[in-house]
Amino acid sequence: DVQMTQSPSTLSASVGDRVTITCRASQHIGHRLAWYQQKPGKAPEVLIYEMSNLESGVPSRFSGSGSGTDFTLTISSLQPDDFATYYCQHYKTYSLITFGGGTKVEI
Amino acid sequence: QMQLQESGPGLVKPSETLSLTCSVSGASIRDYYWSWIRQSPGKGLTWIGHIYFFGAANYNPSLKSRVIISVDTSKNQVSLKVTSVTPEDTAIYYCARHPELIPDNWFDPWGQGTLVTVSS
Repeated sequence: DVQMTQSPSTLSASVGDRVTITCRASQHIGHRLAWYQQKPGKAPEVLIYEMSNLESGVPSRFSGSGSGTDFTLTISSLQPDDFATYYCQHYKTYSLITFGGGTKVEI
Repeated sequence: QMQLQESGPGLVKPSETLSLTCSVSGASIRDYYWSWIRQSPGKGLTWIGHIYFFGAANYNPSLKSRVIISVDTSKNQVSLKVTSVTPEDTAIYYCARHPELIPDNWFDPWGQGTLVTVSS
C-alpha cells in the first residue's frame, strides 16, 4: 500500500500568512493526488485534484505542486475562512486509496 | 446540483450489522463510481470500498471480510453493510462520488456524513 505522510500535523498561522502543507508518498504516484479542506462538523471538500488542478469555485490563493512522491499545498495569503483541517489523498491506479493524517491550520 | 445523503441507525450493538444508505439526487447512480469512506478519531479517513452499478464492488482489504456495498438503481441509492461490528467501527460514515468514470479517483462531492456509534 501507498502510505501518505502529511506534515505538520498542526500549524499555527495568522491572516495574510503564506502557508505550506506537505504530503509525502511512500512510492511514486505520479500526479494522482488530491487535497481536501474539512471544517468542523462538515464533510471534506476537494480543493485540488491531479496534484495541481484547482477545483471549480476554489479561490486562486490555493495551489498544489509536487513531483512523484513529494507534494505541497500552498495557501498564498491565509484568510479567516481557511482555518480548517487539510488532507491529502492518493489514488494511484490499482493501489489502495489512502489519506494523509491531516494538518490542522489554527490561529 | 448533485446531493448525497447518508441515512441509517446512529447506534449499533457490538456483533450486529451496521446498515447505511446513501440517497443520490441530481445524478444517476448508473453514471459514476461511488465510494464509502469513514472517519474516526483514532484512524483518520479510511476508504471502505467502491462500486459501479455494472460490476462488482471493490473493498479495502482490511475490511473486505465484513463489508458489502450494493446499489439500487430503481431508488438511486448506494448501500453499505458492515457485519460483526466492534467499538472500533465507531465513526462518521460518508458516501462520495468519483468525478471520473474510473475506480481510482478523488472524491467529489461527499455526503454530509452520518455518525454511527457501536455500543451496547
